[in-house]
Amino acid sequence: AQTVTQSQPEMSVQEAETVTLSCTYDTSENNYYLFWYKQPPSRQMILVIRQEAYKQQNATENRFSVNFQKAAKSFSLKISDSQLGDTAMYFCAFIYDAGGTSYGKLTFGQGTILTVHP
Amino acid sequence: GAGVSQSPRYKVTKRGQDVALRCDPISGHVSLYWYRQALGQGPEFLTYFNYEAQQDKSGLPNDRFSAERPEGSISTLTIQRTEQRDSAMYRCASSSSGTAPDDTQYFGPGTRLTVL
Repeated sequence: AQTVTQSQPEMSVQEAETVTLSCTYDTSENNYYLFWYKQPPSRQMILVIRQEAYKQQNATENRFSVNFQKAAKSFSLKISDSQLGDTAMYFCAFIYDAGGTSYGKLTFGQGTILTVHP
Repeated sequence: GAGVSQSPRYKVTKRGQDVALRCDPISGHVSLYWYRQALGQGPEFLTYFNYEAQQDKSGLPNDRFSAERPEGSISTLTIQRTEQRDSAMYRCASSSSGTAPDDTQYFGPGTRLTVL
């Protein structure tokens, strides 16, 4: 079974500063994908960034980047130039490449509440 | 529609009643997923469909829970004989293809179920 662990229940950062959210996962699979989702106070679920396990290059989306360490099974999210709108709960998630048609199961971590202060 | 929609947004029911939660995926999306999210926790997988076929229902907690997607579009999650422990946010998501594990799952706003 796959598990995803986010060890930081809450984080805070000043506007314009940089913050890193941690995520570790446990799996015996070799082909998988990792995601960070954002859940603002509106409780929508919004995809922030994704990483393919077979790619060594870390994914980047504007102010958001990841540090993917496959051997350590670590997948942290770095938010640069934090903005007030980044205040949200952030979830790390995992899905593995089962082949065939059984792809649907995203496994989520417990979440980290990020507060950006003005 | 432009996004995944769910109805009702809020449902309050009494213990023992049956409830039906509806999900309308993004038009043309092949795959549809159901998750349950307790307050302060991450979503937990319940079941998913490719077209009308239920591919995986391993996350359904017991036989009071069932889901269907008869025409490959709208889906209904039904909870029979509700119990207080069923209270949670029920989220639906859809993705364009059921053959790529990294297809983005687009989530709906959720249905907040409260069982009294």
